[in-house]
Amino acid sequence: DAKTTQPPSMDCAEGRAANLPCNHSTISGNEYVYWYRQIHSQGPQYIIHGLKNNETNEMASLIITEDRKSSTLILPHATLRDTAVYYCIVRFSTDSWGKLQFGAGTQVVVTP
Amino acid sequence: DTGVSQDPRHKITKRGQNVTFRCDPISEHNRLYWYRQTLGQGPEFLTYFQNEAQLEKSRLLSDRFSAERPKGSFSTLEIQRTEQGDSAMYLCASSLTGQGPDTQYFGPGTRLTVL
Repeated sequence: DAKTTQPPSMDCAEGRAANLPCNHSTISGNEYVYWYRQIHSQGPQYIIHGLKNNETNEMASLIITEDRKSSTLILPHATLRDTAVYYCIVRFSTDSWGKLQFGAGTQVVVTP
Repeated sequence: DTGVSQDPRHKITKRGQNVTFRCDPISEHNRLYWYRQTLGQGPEFLTYFQNEAQLEKSRLLSDRFSAERPKGSFSTLEIQRTEQGDSAMYLCASSLTGQGPDTQYFGPGTRLTVL
């Protein structure tokens, strides 16, 4: 099962883009990259996912490298409400996709 | 709001007591997941259902824990003879299966404190 590596913490200035890296060097060809975030004392919130193409939605953009060994989540204009723990998860295809395996994530603090 | 709901949001109990939590998934979602999260850690998988069938259970789910989803709609998670180590946030998520991986949507969680 592919594992992910994320920096433990990051600071970002309000209004600037936040670029959150994730390494998943052992990812397999049919494994997806998912991003969730968790604001303090709330349940995790789905952000975005992708397989190999870059993806964008109303919350963020996901850039996956061509070799798929790493990805970057981009919050284009960070606000104070984006302060949260961000989890990068590789979703493996065994067990009919099943459970999410969360790591420690990246604590992002957006400052005024 | 038609998201995942959990009840209660907070539960304080004494060691040795039994507790039961309820999760109501998003309407028509056929999968329902339970996770546990302790302070400073990411959520850990406990078990999941597809419709009524419990398809996977984690080794974390000791024999004091039991989960049910009797009619494929809401689910309950019961902890018998609670221990202080059971203190955690219990999270429920639901999803709709289709082609490729399902996207899980989480509820607000039930915070359990065992005294």
